[in-house]
Amino acid sequence: QVQLVQSGAEVKKPGSSVKVSCKASGGTSGPYGLTWVRQAPGQGLEWMGGIIPIFGTVYYAQKFQGRVTITADASTITAYMELRTLTSDDTAVYYCVKGWEDAFDIWGQGTMVTVSS
Amino acid sequence: QLVLTQSPSASASLGSSVKLTCTLSSGHSKYAIAWHQQQPEKGPRYLMKLHSDGSHSKGDGIPDRFSGSSSGAERYLTISSLQSEDESDYYCQTWDTGIQVFGGGTKLTVL
Repeated sequence: QVQLVQSGAEVKKPGSSVKVSCKASGGTSGPYGLTWVRQAPGQGLEWMGGIIPIFGTVYYAQKFQGRVTITADASTITAYMELRTLTSDDTAVYYCVKGWEDAFDIWGQGTMVTVSS
Repeated sequence: QLVLTQSPSASASLGSSVKLTCTLSSGHSKYAIAWHQQQPEKGPRYLMKLHSDGSHSKGDGIPDRFSGSSSGAERYLTISSLQSEDESDYYCQTWDTGIQVFGGGTKLTVL
C-alpha cells in the first residue's frame, strides 16, 4: 500500500512563495500520478494539478496556470508543488493524492499553509 | 463542461440508511466517479470508485455498510446502519483527459 507523507506546516507573507513536498513510499513501483488538491477553511476540495513522476507529465488546473509549478524527483518518488505570489486566499490545507485521470485512492496527511502579514 | 452536482446537506437517523446523490453534467453520463469521506477536522478518505453500470470497487478497510449504485447520470452512495462516525462531508470526484473535478460536497448529519 502506497503511503504519502507531506512536508510540514508553513506560514508565509503575502507576495511570497511556498513549496510543499510529498514523498510516496511502499506499494507498487508502477507508474502512477501524484496530484495536488487544496481546501480553504470551511470550503470544498479544489484540484490544482498533478504529475506522473516517472514520465514527468504535468497538468495544471486553468485557475492556477502561471502561478503554480509541480515537479517531481522520480528516483525518490517525491512530488513538489510551488505556489507563487501568495495572497490570503491561498490560506488552505494542501493535499497530495495518488491518482491520475482516475480515482484518487490515497490521500496524504495534508499541509497547512497560512498566508498572513 | 464536466461538472458534478451534490446537494449541500442531508440528514438521517442513527441506525437507518441514507442515499447521497452526485449528478454528472449533460453528455457525461457514462463517466465513472469516486466517493470520498471527510470526517470533521480530518483529511479526506477514499471510499470507492463507481462506474456507470453500478459496479464499484472500495478502498481498503471500507465497511460493507458503504455501497454505490448508478442510474443514468446519477451516482449514489448508500450508507446503511448509520453510525455517529458517519457524520461527515462526502465528496464525489471525476476526471477526463487533463482535468479533475470535485462536486461541492454533501454534509451528512446523523440525528
